[in-house]
Amino acid sequence: DTGVSQNPRHKITKRGQNVTFRCDPISEHNRLYWYRQTLGQGPEFLTYFQNEAQLEKSRLLSDRFSAERPKGSFSTLEIQRTEQGDSAMYLCASSPQRNTEAFFGQGTRLTVV
Amino acid sequence: AQTVTQSQPEMSVQEAETVTLSCTYDTSENNYYLFWYKQPPSRQMILVIRQEAYKQQNATENRFSVNFQKAAKSFSLKISDSQLGDTAMYFCACRTGANSKLTFGKGITLSVRP
Repeated sequence: DTGVSQNPRHKITKRGQNVTFRCDPISEHNRLYWYRQTLGQGPEFLTYFQNEAQLEKSRLLSDRFSAERPKGSFSTLEIQRTEQGDSAMYLCASSPQRNTEAFFGQGTRLTVV
Repeated sequence: AQTVTQSQPEMSVQEAETVTLSCTYDTSENNYYLFWYKQPPSRQMILVIRQEAYKQQNATENRFSVNFQKAAKSFSLKISDSQLGDTAMYFCACRTGANSKLTFGKGITLSVRP
C-alpha cells in the first residue's frame, strides 16, 4: 500500500466550471477526511466519512460543494460553479477506526482563473 | 470547538542546533490529542509526534520531543540536532475524543541553515 492517493495533483479551471477530485484512502481505513488549505494557512476541515456515511460537514462546505464515498472506499469531492475563492489545496486524509493518527495525501491544487 | 494558535510565522536555525516551536490550544474537552505535523515544500503532510492529553509524560520521537503543559494549554515542539531535511512548515493540531476532525494552527515555516 502506497498511502493516500489523490487525483489529479493539479487542476486549472475557468470560473463557473465544475470540478471533481478523487481520493483513494489507505485500504481498510474506515475514516476519510477532506480539508482545504490556502497559501500560508493551516488546513481547514471540510467533511468526514466513516465508511460510506458522511458524519460531519463544515459550514465552509457551501451548497456548491458535495462529497461522496460510495461503498466506503474512494471518495470524490465536487465543486460546482467554481469561484476564484475556491483556489486552494484540497487535502484528503484517512485513519483506521481506532487510531488517532490521520495519514494525508499529497493534495489536489485547484486554480480557478 | 477547539482552537489552535501558532503565533510565530517563521523561524530559522543553524544545522545541528536545537529549536523550539510554540503552540497553544484551547478546548473544553477533557479527552483530546495533540499533534505536530510536518509539511515539506510541495510534499505531503506527515505526522511528527503526538501526545494524548491523559498522559503526563511528554512524547518523544528520536530528535523530536514535546513540552506538554496541560494547565497552560501549551504544546511546544523541540527539534534537537536540526538537519537540513527538517526545513518545512510545521503545524500544531488538536483532535478531541468526541470528534474526529483535526483543528490546525496557521503553521510555522522552519528553515534550517547549513
